[in-house]
Amino acid sequence: DIQMTQSPSTLSAYVGDRVTITCRASQSISTSLAWYQQKPGKAPNLLIYEASSLESGVPSRFSGSGSGTEFTLTITSLQPDDFATYYCQQYQHYWTFGQGTKVEIK
Amino acid sequence: QGQLMQSGAEVKKPGSSVKVSCKASGVTFSSYTITWVRQAPGEGLEWMGRIIPMFGLTNYAQKYQGRVTITADESTNTAYMELSSLRSEDTAVYYCARVTGGRWDYWGQGTLVTVSS
Repeated sequence: DIQMTQSPSTLSAYVGDRVTITCRASQSISTSLAWYQQKPGKAPNLLIYEASSLESGVPSRFSGSGSGTEFTLTITSLQPDDFATYYCQQYQHYWTFGQGTKVEIK
Repeated sequence: QGQLMQSGAEVKKPGSSVKVSCKASGVTFSSYTITWVRQAPGEGLEWMGRIIPMFGLTNYAQKYQGRVTITADESTNTAYMELSSLRSEDTAVYYCARVTGGRWDYWGQGTLVTVSS
């Protein structure tokens, strides 16, 4: 099985900050990676797919990069609506999620 | 606007089974993969299995092999996930989602399954 490791587990930031979350795969997954945002009591919402493609309707302050085993999700100018938990997901071989990164208000 | 609508919350006894439904509306169903994931309280997302309704093809995560059955009814655009031999650790929110090119683009609202004696 492909394991996904996210860091950090929790991140405290101010509105307006630039935030970066990292995701590492236990083996190469090319660019078969997606990022999701989840708010309490809600289903996750797709933000990024194919490592760097922005899902329709997602604000452009979200961006993704990486390939192989190292990936990042960047939020430029964090907004109040962005405080949530973020998950990476590989889909190279079935699906595996990272453990999540909770973005909190500082 | 397409959506996946799941059945309501369930309370089950240990050792029993639960069957959760996921009905697609405004979303192409049969030619896509429908997948199921669960989230225990305060925990992350754990993939359980998937079905391609057009072919009836299923695959399950090794952890759930033998305990989970995923089916689909193309006539009603509905997928089902049945989990048997329930134990307290199966208390979780169960989600269905549609898969497009690997990514999960439409999600159900989630179904809370509580296992308690």
